[in-house]
Amino acid sequence: GQQLNQSPQSMFIQEGEDVSMNCTSSSIFNTWLWYKQDPGEGPVLLIALYKAGELTSNGRLTAQFGITRKDSFLNISASIPSDVGIYFCAGQGNTPLVFGKGTRLSVIA
Amino acid sequence: DGGITQSPKYLFRKEGQNVTLSCEQNLNHDAMYWYRQDPGQGLRLIYYSQIVNDFQKGDIAEGYSVSREKKESFPLTVTSAQKNPTAFYLCASSIAGVVPQHFGDGTRLSIL
Repeated sequence: GQQLNQSPQSMFIQEGEDVSMNCTSSSIFNTWLWYKQDPGEGPVLLIALYKAGELTSNGRLTAQFGITRKDSFLNISASIPSDVGIYFCAGQGNTPLVFGKGTRLSVIA
Repeated sequence: DGGITQSPKYLFRKEGQNVTLSCEQNLNHDAMYWYRQDPGQGLRLIYYSQIVNDFQKGDIAEGYSVSREKKESFPLTVTSAQKNPTAFYLCASSIAGVVPQHFGDGTRLSIL
């Protein structure tokens, strides 16, 4: 099936720092989603992007739908301890949703 | 409170045994999905259903079966044919049947 390359795989940052992660695909997508998953729980939708070039914010989170429709990035500004978790990108083209392998974020107070 | 309920939270299976994972939603969503999550991996689609009495195989359907007799329920059976069933199983639902937006809290299945 289709694959998404999500990077970095993990990151350790100091509280207050900004974070950036991205996903790339070999296929064109019509929708990009970003989820956060806490241990032992299901993913929670953070941001949904439906149009190439779209830039959307949700509090300290900002995500963009790449103009080529093959990539997306997520930025978190001024990180706090509760940002810890695994962040997943997901994209959809003509097939059901495809997920990246996740970015594990650790925040050092 | 609307949401997706998965049960049980933890499940143990003996060799050669079939087990069924429950997923119920009260969001009035048309579409429901089952995903499998392994450590360090993304979510992989097992089965999905966009309407009652209809469902399609995902990327890793072998060894699994589903039914969709009611809009709010989409149980997943892990059969004895699934040789490596230990994983975290997630159920999701969506309004338009296109993009999963709401997930349950998962069922962790282990082999005894």
